[in-house]
Amino acid sequence: QKEVEQNSGPLSVPEGAIASLNCTYSDRGSQSFFWYRQYSGKSPELIMSIYSNGDKEDGRFTAQLNKASQYVSLLIRDSQPSDSATYLCAVNMPSGTYKYIFGTGTRLKVLA
Amino acid sequence: DAGVIQSPRHEVTEMGQEVTLRCKPISGHNSLFWYRQTMMRGLELLIYFNNNVPIDDSGMPEDRFSAKMPNASFSTLKIQPSEPRDSAVYFCASSLALAGGRGGELFFGEGSRLTVL
Repeated sequence: QKEVEQNSGPLSVPEGAIASLNCTYSDRGSQSFFWYRQYSGKSPELIMSIYSNGDKEDGRFTAQLNKASQYVSLLIRDSQPSDSATYLCAVNMPSGTYKYIFGTGTRLKVLA
Repeated sequence: DAGVIQSPRHEVTEMGQEVTLRCKPISGHNSLFWYRQTMMRGLELLIYFNNNVPIDDSGMPEDRFSAKMPNASFSTLKIQPSEPRDSAVYFCASSLALAGGRGGELFFGEGSRLTVL
């Protein structure tokens, strides 16, 4: 089992729709979770961080964390063509190691 | 504020040559990470440092790869000798460790694109 798993996509949604991106992780002791956006040829850019169970909203983005199910998701409301990118889920491994493991990313296409 | 600074942005070299990639982390961050990204394998963690000390180098592919962090504001990743299969984008990232053993937000440099002919 991979430490952090994501569906590679592509996930295609029409402009204005909600895009839902999912990620599961294997280590139950993980405490910090992050979503990054990466455009082709660019470096990963931090979108959201979440540390506690529940929802965290920032503008059009909502991160959801369920530690019991070892599941973290990212919702993008009112999707725009400019949101088309690869979205990477990152998990910080258990206490003391500070190691960040990334999923392989989900490619999102927002259709105008 | 300056982000993570990497150099060179692009490097083209011939097989067998030594390659040195450089990184300056965000001031005040105490953890530094080197990642390699390829289409086939995604973003792989090579090595990371905490307070300038290497913590885990299990991701370093082989002995041809080495990394150092002589002080809090500078790190190098060296490949000697380089091979065509080392061609990839190498990212440096830094973060500030939080209380309770949690990792803070991780910020990336713009990357060094390496091509080994």
